[in-house]
Amino acid sequence: EDKVVQSPLSLVVHEGDTVTLNCSYEVTNFRSLLWYKQEKKAPTFLFMLTSSGIEKKSGRLSSILDKKELSSILNITATQTGDSAIYLCALTILTGGGNKLTFGTGTQLKVEL
Amino acid sequence: EPEVTQTPSHQVTQMGQEVILRCVPISNHLYFYWYRQILGQKVEFLVSFYNNEISEKSEIFDDQFSVERPDGSNFTLKIRSTKLEDSAMYFCASSRGWLYNEQFFGPGTRLTVL
Repeated sequence: EDKVVQSPLSLVVHEGDTVTLNCSYEVTNFRSLLWYKQEKKAPTFLFMLTSSGIEKKSGRLSSILDKKELSSILNITATQTGDSAIYLCALTILTGGGNKLTFGTGTQLKVEL
Repeated sequence: EPEVTQTPSHQVTQMGQEVILRCVPISNHLYFYWYRQILGQKVEFLVSFYNNEISEKSEIFDDQFSVERPDGSNFTLKIRSTKLEDSAMYFCASSRGWLYNEQFFGPGTRLTVL
């Protein structure tokens, strides 16, 4: 059975801190790993990572995949209260027909003043 | 910026009733998906749809569920006879292609079955 495990489940930091969120996986036919930010409702796309190992960056956020360790990290530097959200890791698995995402439970991040 | 839209935002129904959830995917996207998230649980895949047919479905997607693309823009999820356990947030998503193409999610429809 495919598994996506995120850690920690939740954390509270102060504005300006740097945080590292983890995602590890055990899946067959891995294709890519995606990070999403979920605030009130819909997950919003952050990054897609593949086995190439290329780091992705967008402003204060960055992410990289370690294909040997079967894991990925999402870094957020100089956190702001607007970063408070649930961060979801999802795997794209190559299947016979579709392109489904398998999600982890998420990491709930709260950034306090 | 193009986005996925969903209607209604909240649907309340009685057990046993049929509901239709509607989605308008991003216009140049070819692959469409439905996911659900029961309160406090993971986002779960339901079904993927391409070229007017289901390409994959999960165990959750039983005979009570169906999907349709009735015209060039809408993508619907029908639940024929709702159960209490169908109460969840239902997300529609779309992607441009198949491999290495991120899925963009709509704002969701909260379905409450009484």
